[in-house]
Amino acid sequence: GAVVSQHPSWVICKSGTSVKIECRSLDFQATTMFWYRQFPKQSLMLMATSNEGSKATYEQGVEKDKFLINHASLTLSTLTVTSAHPEDSSFYICSAIPDSQETQYFGPGTRLLVL
Amino acid sequence: GQNIDQPTEMTATEGAIVQINCTYQTSGFNGLFWYQQHAGEAPTFLSYNVLDGLEEKGRFSSFLSRSKGYSYLLLKELQMKDSASYLCAVRDLGTYKYIFGTGTRLKVLA
Repeated sequence: GAVVSQHPSWVICKSGTSVKIECRSLDFQATTMFWYRQFPKQSLMLMATSNEGSKATYEQGVEKDKFLINHASLTLSTLTVTSAHPEDSSFYICSAIPDSQETQYFGPGTRLLVL
Repeated sequence: GQNIDQPTEMTATEGAIVQINCTYQTSGFNGLFWYQQHAGEAPTFLSYNVLDGLEEKGRFSSFLSRSKGYSYLLLKELQMKDSASYLCAVRDLGTYKYIFGTGTRLKVLA
C-alpha cells in the first residue's frame, strides 16, 4: 500500500516551453501533497504544499506563476513548469500523505532537462 | 528555530552494524521519520517514531528520545545495497511541513 506515481519520469524540452508533471496516489486518498526539487548531491528543497480544493502554499523564493500547482482531486496533483529555462533543470519529486496518517510517501521523481 | 543535525558521511563494512544519529530542535514535534535515498532515486520510507523507544523492522531499527531531541537508525547485517543516503525528518506541528536533515551518505564496503 501507499504507492505514489509520477509521470513522466523523464522529460527533455526546449527553453520556453511548459512542462506538466502529474503526481498520483494510487491506493489512498491524499488531501495534502508536497512538491520538492533536488539538485545533484543536495538536500530536498520543499517548493510548495498542495491541498485538494484550495490554492497551493509556496515556499519563500518559489514563484507561484512559474510553478503552477493544481490539486483537483484527492488522488492527483499536477505541477506545471511554465516557460522553462535551463536553470529549471532538476529532479522534481512529489509526496502524498494518506488522510489520517502522518507519513509522507514519495513518488519516483521526474527528471527535467531544459535545453 | 528548527534544526536537524546528522553526520554527513559514514563508512561501514558488509555484515557489520551501523548507527546513524540524528538530533533535532523544533518548535513543535509531531513525529520523526527516516527515509532511504539511493543515488538518482526518490526517498523511500523506512520508519516513523512518535513515542519514545525502539521500533524494530527487520534489519532496520529506529530509536527516539523526545526529551533529548535525539533519534538513531540502526542497520544490522549490512549489505552492499544499503549504500545510500539516510534522511532524518520531523514534522512541524505548526506548519505541518516536514523538515529534513541534509542526509547521511553511508558507504558499505566489501
